[in-house]
Amino acid sequence: EAGVAQSPRYKIIEKRQSVAFWCNPISGHATLYWYQQILGQGPKLLIQFQNNGVVDDSQLPKDRFSAERLKGVDSTLKIQPAKLEDSAVYLCASSLLRQYNSPLHFGNGTRLTVT
Amino acid sequence: SQQGEEDPQALSIQEGENATMNCSYKTSINNLQWYRQNSGRGLVHLILIRSNEREKHSGRLRVTLDTSKKSSSLLITASRAADTASYFCATVSGGYQKVTFGTGTKLQVIP
Repeated sequence: EAGVAQSPRYKIIEKRQSVAFWCNPISGHATLYWYQQILGQGPKLLIQFQNNGVVDDSQLPKDRFSAERLKGVDSTLKIQPAKLEDSAVYLCASSLLRQYNSPLHFGNGTRLTVT
Repeated sequence: SQQGEEDPQALSIQEGENATMNCSYKTSINNLQWYRQNSGRGLVHLILIRSNEREKHSGRLRVTLDTSKKSSSLLITASRAADTASYFCATVSGGYQKVTFGTGTKLQVIP
């Protein structure tokens, strides 16, 4: 089976600019997660989708971050405007909802540098 | 916020030795998972232990879970240089399977 696809792999922008990341989960995976991983730290959950509905966005900075999952498949995460502290790797993961004890499958992430 | 705290933060061992990493968490869980992350890559799932299990094995990996102490440990036996990576515990909770990661242990295996 094909893995989780993310693009771009790297992105460098200046502060106050906007940026978008794209994720294509594994086919059939109902649950999709976006994580932010700052260098040297563990991944922090930003938002979790079940199909195309949001089930958890409690740690998403909603004044600047937004995410959508159209048709319950692909997802995009946007930052507008970016701040220096947004420099991090943004990881997308998906899992099978039907299997209660199912692992997450991760993409390789997008490394964002804000200058 | 991080659900799990891992200990130690960094570990350096010789090839062939065993490596033990510990994870403590705060709330009730459905299951606990361990992941590995090589530098510059995404996380890879290693092993899952359910809340009603106490121990689980997979190849050179052994995981224990003590729900009364809210702690877990990962043992890698006969370590290899290729095991060099960061290891994260992740707790899964709630009906929607919220997955929260710990702070990680950076393992270096010296050939």
